[in-house]
Parts: sequence; C-alpha cells; structure tokens
Amino acid sequence: AQSVTQLDSQVPVFEEAPVELRCNYSSSVSVYLFWYVQYPNQGLQLLLKYLSGSTLVKGINGFEAEFNKSQTSFHLRKPSVHISDTAEYFCAVSKEPKLSFGAGTTVTVRA
Amino acid sequence: ETGVTQTPRHLVMGMTNKKSLKCEQHLGHNAMYWYKQSAKKPLELMFVYSLEERVENNSVPSRFSPECPNSSHLFLHLHTLQPEDSALYLCASSQGPLAGQGSYEQYFGPGTRLTVT
Repeated sequence: AQSVTQLDSQVPVFEEAPVELRCNYSSSVSVYLFWYVQYPNQGLQLLLKYLSGSTLVKGINGFEAEFNKSQTSFHLRKPSVHISDTAEYFCAVSKEPKLSFGAGTTVTVRA
Repeated sequence: ETGVTQTPRHLVMGMTNKKSLKCEQHLGHNAMYWYKQSAKKPLELMFVYSLEERVENNSVPSRFSPECPNSSHLFLHLHTLQPEDSALYLCASSQGPLAGQGSYEQYFGPGTRLTVT
C-alpha cells in the first residue's frame, strides 16, 4: 500500500516570493506522482505529473516539481507566487486504479 | 472547463429524503470515480467504475448507492443520510486504468456541496 504525507498543512507567503510545498510518499513499487490544485468552490485541477523520465517536471501556472526516488519525495515549487495562487494543493500517488491523496496544503498569498 | 460536469452544484436534504447526484464526462474516458471531501480530512475514495463495472467499493455505507449506466455517466443515489455525510462530493474520470494504457491522471468535476439537515 502507498501513502502520501504533505508535511505542511498551511503555508503563508508574500506575493512574488518563492514557495515550496513538501510531499513524501511511501511505496515499495514504482509509482506515478501528481500535484493537484483546488481553488475555492471548485474541483481539483491537475498541476503536473511524474510518470517516468526526467525527474524535474514542469506544470501549469509556473509550477514545477522534482521527483527524488532516494528520498521518496515529490516537492512542488514556484519561484514567484501571485495572489491568484491562493488555493489548496494536493499531492497524490497512483497505483491503478486508485489515487491516494495527501491531506492538502493551504497556500495563502498576501500582498 | 475540465470536461467533467456535476449536477446539482448544491444540495440540501433531510435525513429521510432520497436524492441523486449526477456526473457526466465528455472526455471519452473509460473509468469514473466518486470521492468524498470533508473539511479537515483527506479525500476519501468511495467508488471506482472501470468499463462500467464497479471495481472498488471502499467500505461505503449502503445509504450511498452508485450507478454507472455507460462510460460517460455516473450517479450517486442517496437515501436516509446522516448529518456527518455533509461534504463535497467529487466525481472524476480517467483513461486506461486496469488496461495498461493511458496517462493515469484523473480529471475532476466541480463537485456537489451536500448538506444533510
């Protein structure tokens, strides 16, 4: 079985500052990894995914994540955030047919 | 626009009512999912349908009854719910699970906010 741990439940950050959201997973087999974003009153939207290949993955809205197999991590980063990045972010690991989600990290961007 | 629609967006029901949530995907996917999202809790997978057959049922109470008449539509029938069932119910779809194909990511609808009084 695999599980996902998001190490920060809330991350306040100032506009134009960088942000990193931490995600660790536990699995004994190869996994596929995802980051989703949920804006208020909306469903989840895929930010980026890692299936194989390059460990640095670029997604939408300027986000990127790095897969680190030895540390079983998949941290999400953005070099400069905007007010519109205020949302909840979920890390997920896939083992067909399921996605297992972390508890989420709430990012609040302040001017 | 994610290609997955859910109706209604908001629902208030009493504990003795019967109602249904509807999900429709316009992406040509062959698997659909129901999730429950409660405040302060991780997303809970409720049901998985692949090629219109239920392949996962995560110990969900029988007061929740799913139905998948075809690969584009998914329903969640609700009856005699409890106040603790109040939550955001999310539908998702994907291509290829269990078939060794596809890109594995799931596409979500906007959810139905359910309040049980």
